[in-house]
Amino acid sequence: EVQLVESGGGLVRPGGSLRLSCAASGFTFNTYSLNWVRQAPGKGLDWVTSVSSSGRYTYYADSVKGRFTISRDNAKNSLYLQMNSLRVEDTAIYYCARDTIALGWAFDYWGQGVQVTVSS
Amino acid sequence: QSALTQPPSASGSPGQSVTISCTGTSSDVGAYNFVSWYQQHPGKAPQLIIYEVSKRPSGVPGRFSGSKSGSAASLTVTGLQAEDEGHYHCTSYAGSNTWVFGGGTKLTVL
Repeated sequence: EVQLVESGGGLVRPGGSLRLSCAASGFTFNTYSLNWVRQAPGKGLDWVTSVSSSGRYTYYADSVKGRFTISRDNAKNSLYLQMNSLRVEDTAIYYCARDTIALGWAFDYWGQGVQVTVSS
Repeated sequence: QSALTQPPSASGSPGQSVTISCTGTSSDVGAYNFVSWYQQHPGKAPQLIIYEVSKRPSGVPGRFSGSKSGSAASLTVTGLQAEDEGHYHCTSYAGSNTWVFGGGTKLTVL
């Protein structure tokens, strides 16, 4: 069974940093690209960033470029999101999600999400 | 990377059909057939129900269908059931390895 479990969320002051983790199991981790997708309170989903299966290639939404860094450790079946210079508008539930070329790069599995709150 | 446009709400009675629109541009929905739809129940993670505009993953009921015309995609739910109530989100590939989502539509089964 595919499982994605996020951790590392919490309350942080504006300008602060936080590192999210996503532990994966139930599939061959190093053959899938992975994403972070967030959802602000009462809002729709918002794609944040993705990383290729090898970790060599990374892509970011303009809203987080230069502040967030996605990475992965294929030996540990883990995905990470380093978030720096956090803003109030980064407050959201952050989901890690797998995409697959077999389904047109749709996000076929999601974690349960982790809350990030940026507030003074 | 502007968000796709979805109506904030939609509704229908059990057994009826409802269609939710998702309007993008010639740079996303209009350019690629990589439109997918997700169902989300309160407090839960999204679940994939449609990929590549109109294809259903294994296990998704046939009453869910998708289509696209130009820069607008749509999701149709036929034979509405109480468990279909929730939020529905569309997304499209937007080029350069980026994705854009819609604002989400709350579907109410009356």
